[in-house]
Amino acid sequence: EVQLVESGGGLVKSGGSLRLSCAASGFSFTSYDMNWVRQAPGKGLEWVSWISSSTNYIYYADSVKGRFTISRDNAKNSLFLQMNSLTAEDTAVYFCVRAGSTNWNRNPPVLLSFDVWGQGTMVAVSS
Amino acid sequence: QSALTQPPSASGSPGQSVTISCTGTSSDVGAYNYVSWYQQHPGKAPKLMLYEVTRRPSGVPDRFSGSKSGNTASLTVSGLQAEDEADYYCSSYAGSKNYIFGTGTKVTVL
Repeated sequence: EVQLVESGGGLVKSGGSLRLSCAASGFSFTSYDMNWVRQAPGKGLEWVSWISSSTNYIYYADSVKGRFTISRDNAKNSLFLQMNSLTAEDTAVYFCVRAGSTNWNRNPPVLLSFDVWGQGTMVAVSS
Repeated sequence: QSALTQPPSASGSPGQSVTISCTGTSSDVGAYNYVSWYQQHPGKAPKLMLYEVTRRPSGVPDRFSGSKSGNTASLTVSGLQAEDEADYYCSSYAGSKNYIFGTGTKVTVL
């Protein structure tokens, strides 16, 4: 069974840091680009960051650029998100998401879908 | 970049059809055929329903279909069933290595 399981969420004070992890199983992790997508309480979805399978491409939403760092360990089938300088606006459920496929014929390449989602981990930032 | 605009709610009786719009700009929905749709039941993770405007992943019923005209994409659910009651979000590539989602639509099966 294809599965993504996030961990590492919790309550942190404004200005603090947190590191999220995502354990992947049931598919060839090294073959897929991965993402983090978040959802504030009662709100819509927001794409946060993308890392290609080989880590050659890494992109961030403007809202987290310079504060968040995405990384992966292909040997351990794991995805990470290091979050620094957290603010109340970062409060959300963070989903680990697999990219279904990527159009590598474009420059920069384009993700075509987010096809597998984890259940999410809640991050709450208190002021 | 602003979220794509969706109606807050839509509804239909079992067996009927409901169509949800997703309006963007000439820089996102209008510029690329990279629109996807996601279904989210309360407290659950989103599920991919359509990608590249009209393509269905395996396992998604053909009751779900998509289209696009100009800056607006649409998701149609035909033959509404009780389990279709959920929130639906569209998403589009927005250029400059950015992806944006819609504001979300709550579909109610009457």
